[in-house]
Amino acid sequence: GENVEQHPSTLSVQEGDSAVIKCTYSDSASNYFPWYKQELGKRPQLIIDIRSNVGEKKDQRIAVTLNKTAKHFSLHITETQPEDSAVYFCAASIMGGYNKLIFGAGTRLAVHP
Amino acid sequence: NAGVTQTPKFQVLKTGQSMTLQCAQDMNHEYMSWYRQDPGMGLRLIHYSVGAGITDQGEVPNGYNVSRSTTEDFPLRLLSAAPSQTSVYFCASSLGQANTEAFFGQGTRLTVV
Repeated sequence: GENVEQHPSTLSVQEGDSAVIKCTYSDSASNYFPWYKQELGKRPQLIIDIRSNVGEKKDQRIAVTLNKTAKHFSLHITETQPEDSAVYFCAASIMGGYNKLIFGAGTRLAVHP
Repeated sequence: NAGVTQTPKFQVLKTGQSMTLQCAQDMNHEYMSWYRQDPGMGLRLIHYSVGAGITDQGEVPNGYNVSRSTTEDFPLRLLSAAPSQTSVYFCASSLGQANTEAFFGQGTRLTVV
């Protein structure tokens, strides 16, 4: 089955710096790659996603890139702010139309003022 | 709309007890799933359902049962609780097509002593 690895497990940056989180997936048939943000004590919420027919997608300060050949995808956050501090999860969807999401282990991002 | 509602929010069980975690959604979503979240391990899929009457196993199904008698409800049953089932449990639902956003409930923190 699908396996998603996520790095780093923790990331500490200064406010205004950029942050990059990387994920790899094992199943070449996966075609949907969402990113979720989970603030302390709250539920995960979708922040951006990308499909396999697209190489990059941006939404204001966040962007996601996908390299299908290498089976890598990454989350980029620019001009980080303290409110970006949270745990970020990548995920991959197994083919078959069942939207069965398999998640990475998460990255705890701390943005220091 | 309430979205995805989980009950209870907190629960303490003794080893060997059984209980049911409730999950309901009012968005007419076809797909529903249960995840457990443990430190350093991300969100692991327990069971999922692609529609009323259809369920299947995820990554870590042992010790859990599910049923889907209606589109709205997807309860998770712990048959004989074990300390290894101490975790935060999240229910999620999505529209019913491939590659769509998963909406999470607020989570249930379960402790088995």
